[in-house]
Amino acid sequence: DGGITQSPKYLFRKEGQNVTLSCEQNLNHDAMYWYRQDPGQGLRLIYYSQIVNDFQKGDIAEGYSVSREKKESFPLTVTSAQKNPTAFYLCASSIDIGIGANVLTFGAGSRLTVL
Amino acid sequence: AQSVTQLDSQVPVFEEAPVELRCNYSSSVSVYLFWYVQYPNQGLQLLLKYLSGSTLVKGINGFEAEFNKSQTSFHLRKPSVHISDTAEYFCAVSLGASGGSYIPTFGRGTSLIVHP
Repeated sequence: DGGITQSPKYLFRKEGQNVTLSCEQNLNHDAMYWYRQDPGQGLRLIYYSQIVNDFQKGDIAEGYSVSREKKESFPLTVTSAQKNPTAFYLCASSIDIGIGANVLTFGAGSRLTVL
Repeated sequence: AQSVTQLDSQVPVFEEAPVELRCNYSSSVSVYLFWYVQYPNQGLQLLLKYLSGSTLVKGINGFEAEFNKSQTSFHLRKPSVHISDTAEYFCAVSLGASGGSYIPTFGRGTSLIVHP
């Protein structure tokens, strides 16, 4: 079955360390996204990518970086510059970002805890 | 830019009772509207969507929503809830016309808690 795989599901990090969250999709979707979820704040967009080798900042990109070297993969790095990185991170994809009927397919999420 | 307001952060209800989760949006152009559900420690999955046509939209698990343009609302309803409906529900909006971002904007979520 097609879908999105995020790994690891749980991750612990010490302050000052960078950590990379993996996101892989086999849906042949062009667009991919990273959201951060905190209790009571809904989903906030970190980065998105419409096509390979291109990505754009979302609403809360500071302290994060991404790459899109392959259509299937969109890893997110949480850097030491991110002041409050403890959160639930969701990766999503969609067929095309250029249409309003833009239904997102989500991965199961990665929970990052900074000790 | 579009925005979404989910009026209730938490909705407790007894099993087999009806429920309504409220969502209001703000946009100066036509929109597409979505409801997603998130079970604990999982990603979101689509419940239903309104793109055009009939204002009453039926989704999975017996949920339905009604698009009301004059009130800029898209409330989610279920006539009889089950314990398994306990989850977080997110309303989302994206533009239905050119000239803006088609990335959906999500509300803050409503936690539906079904009691036996």
